[in-house]
Amino acid sequence: GAGVSQTPSNKVTEKGKYVELRCDPISGHTALYWYRQSLGQGPEFLIYFQGTGAADDSGLPNDRFFAVRPEGSVSTLKIQRTERGDSAVYLCASSQGGGLFNEQFFGPGTRLTVL
Amino acid sequence: AQSVSQHNHHVILSEAASLELGCNYSYGGTVNLFWYVQYPGQHLQLLLKYFSGDPLVKGIKGFEAEFIKSKFSFNLRKPSVQWSDTAEYFCAVTSNNNDMRFGAGTRLTVKP
Repeated sequence: GAGVSQTPSNKVTEKGKYVELRCDPISGHTALYWYRQSLGQGPEFLIYFQGTGAADDSGLPNDRFFAVRPEGSVSTLKIQRTERGDSAVYLCASSQGGGLFNEQFFGPGTRLTVL
Repeated sequence: AQSVSQHNHHVILSEAASLELGCNYSYGGTVNLFWYVQYPGQHLQLLLKYFSGDPLVKGIKGFEAEFIKSKFSFNLRKPSVQWSDTAEYFCAVTSNNNDMRFGAGTRLTVKP
C-alpha cells in the first residue's frame, strides 16, 4: 500500500476485555514497530519485528500485551484484560530494514479508550 | 537511564519569527538523531535525521538541526516560521538498540 495503515482508527472497550489492534506495513518493509503514545507524551517503544520474529520486545509493559506477525507482513497487537491505564494511541511504524539507519514510516494510530 | 528531553512543552510564535526547539539526550556511544513532526490530524512525519558527517542537517520545509556532541544536543531551528508550521514536534534517538526513544514533544503554535 501507499503507507502504513492501522485498524480500527478508534476502539472503545470496557475494563477487563480483550482487544486486537492491526497494522498493515508498507509493502516490502521487513521491519515493523509498535509504539504507545499517552496524552502529552511522546511515542513509547513497545516491540520490534524483523520479519516474522520479535527481535526486541523489551518495551512491552507486562504479560497482558502480546504481538504477532505470522507471515512477516501484517501485525496484530493483542491486549488482554484491558485496564484504564492502557488508554492511549497505539502507533505502528515500518521500515525497509531493521537497525538504526532505516527511516521509520508511521501509521495514523489506533486510539484505544478503556472505560 | 537513557532519555530524551525536550525543554519546551508549548511554544507560541508570530509568523516570521525564528524558531529554536531544544532537544537533549542522555545516551552514551554512537547515536542517530531524528526530528519528527505531527501536523494536526496527520501521521508522524520525518523532518530530518542525523547519522554521521556534517553536524548541521537540513530537512524539509526549511528546517535544520545541529548535532552538538559535547552538549548531547540536537536542537531544531527555522529562521522564519509560517502559520502552516503549527504542529507538534518530537525529537527521537536510536542508539545500540533498535528501539527509538522519543521526547515528550513540543507543541508549536504560530499566530498568523
